[in-house]
Amino acid sequence: AQTVTQSQPEMSVQEAETVTLSCTYDTSESDYYLFWYKQPPSRQMILVIRQEAYKQQNATENRFSVNFQKAAKSFSLKISDSQLGDAAMYFCAYRSAGANSKLTFGKGITLSVRP
Amino acid sequence: GAGVSQSPSNKVTEKGKDVELRCDPISGHTALYWYRQSLGQGLEFLIYFQGNSAPDKSGLPSDRFSAERTGGSVSTLTIQRTQQEDSAVYLCASSPRLGSGASGANVLTFGAGSRLTVL
Repeated sequence: AQTVTQSQPEMSVQEAETVTLSCTYDTSESDYYLFWYKQPPSRQMILVIRQEAYKQQNATENRFSVNFQKAAKSFSLKISDSQLGDAAMYFCAYRSAGANSKLTFGKGITLSVRP
Repeated sequence: GAGVSQSPSNKVTEKGKDVELRCDPISGHTALYWYRQSLGQGLEFLIYFQGNSAPDKSGLPSDRFSAERTGGSVSTLTIQRTQQEDSAVYLCASSPRLGSGASGANVLTFGAGSRLTVL
């Protein structure tokens, strides 16, 4: 079974600074998808960014980018120019490329942004 | 609809009562998922529906939990004889069929969840 590990329960960043959230996963599969979801206090899970394992190029979405290291099974999220609205829980997630597969989540990390 | 809709938003019940939580997925999404999020914890998979295939029930924690999906659309998660440890946020998500080629086929869109409190 696949597992996703987020070892840092909490992190804090100064507004306008850059922060990196870590995630590692364990799988024997070669084709899969990786995601970062954001969950603000409203509870709504929001997709931040996704990465297809077959793509070597790291995904980027505006201020959010990932460092995908397939051999190391590492998938970290970098948030640049942090904003107060970035404060939330962030979850790393894995999904097999198989037709019937669920999303497996890490335990999440709480990010606070200091003004 | 435009998004995944869940009801009720909040539910308080007494231990031993049955509860039903409803999920209305995005129109056209064939895959539907239920997850449970306990306080300060990650998301625990409960059950997965894909079209007319038999659901993947491997995450249901006990036989007090069941779910159905009628007409390939709306889903109801039922918890019988609720216990205090059932208190959590129950999240529903939907997606197009993985591998269908549809835009966002590998992305789950979540509802805002139903917070269940068992006294």
